[in-house]
Amino acid sequence: GEDVEQSLFLSVREGDSSVINCTYTDSSSTYLYWYKQEPGAGLQLLTYIFSNMDMKQDQRLTVLLNKKDKHLSLRIADTQTGDSAIYFCAETPNYGGSQGNLIFGKGTKLSVKP
Amino acid sequence: DSGVTQTPKHLITATGQRVTLRCSPRSGDLSVYWYQQSLDQGLQFLIQYYNGEERAKGNILERFSAQQFPDLHSELNLSSLELGDSALYFCASSVRSGRAYEQYFGPGTRLTVT
Repeated sequence: GEDVEQSLFLSVREGDSSVINCTYTDSSSTYLYWYKQEPGAGLQLLTYIFSNMDMKQDQRLTVLLNKKDKHLSLRIADTQTGDSAIYFCAETPNYGGSQGNLIFGKGTKLSVKP
Repeated sequence: DSGVTQTPKHLITATGQRVTLRCSPRSGDLSVYWYQQSLDQGLQFLIQYYNGEERAKGNILERFSAQQFPDLHSELNLSSLELGDSALYFCASSVRSGRAYEQYFGPGTRLTVT
């Protein structure tokens, strides 16, 4: 079945780069997403990548995809205290009946120290 | 602000009771997804509707049901509530049904069962 795994915690200093990693199990073509959840808030869509791409950049965010290893990473450049949140990796399963529902990892809590 | 609204924001009720959670999708979105977020299970997909019809089911208990109305708002009904049903319930909407369409999340309803 589908499974998405992430490390639970990451701590960085303000101004450094953060790299949040994720592994997934669905080997077929799929969409992979990064969501951000701040305390007491809903999930904010940050970016996504289709599995035929290797990289996607959006301002301070860079997504790297290694299809062979089924490894996805989110790099945040010049991390700020406002980036402190939980980051969720998610995929959409690729079976015939799939209607786009998301399979989430447990989330990585990013703490940014001043 | 994602454009997805959910009411109520908080709900406290007793075991055995029934509650209804409401979701209004973004303007123009036809698809609504419901997710449950708990400490034990993380974020799990419950059920999806598209233009009034049920399209996909995930880990939804038989005590739970949902519907989508002609104006496209959706309601999630939870009955015979148990302590373990305490969680954050999110709805998300997308333009259409399927893997290629981004999902935007509401702020969630926090349900506490006592």
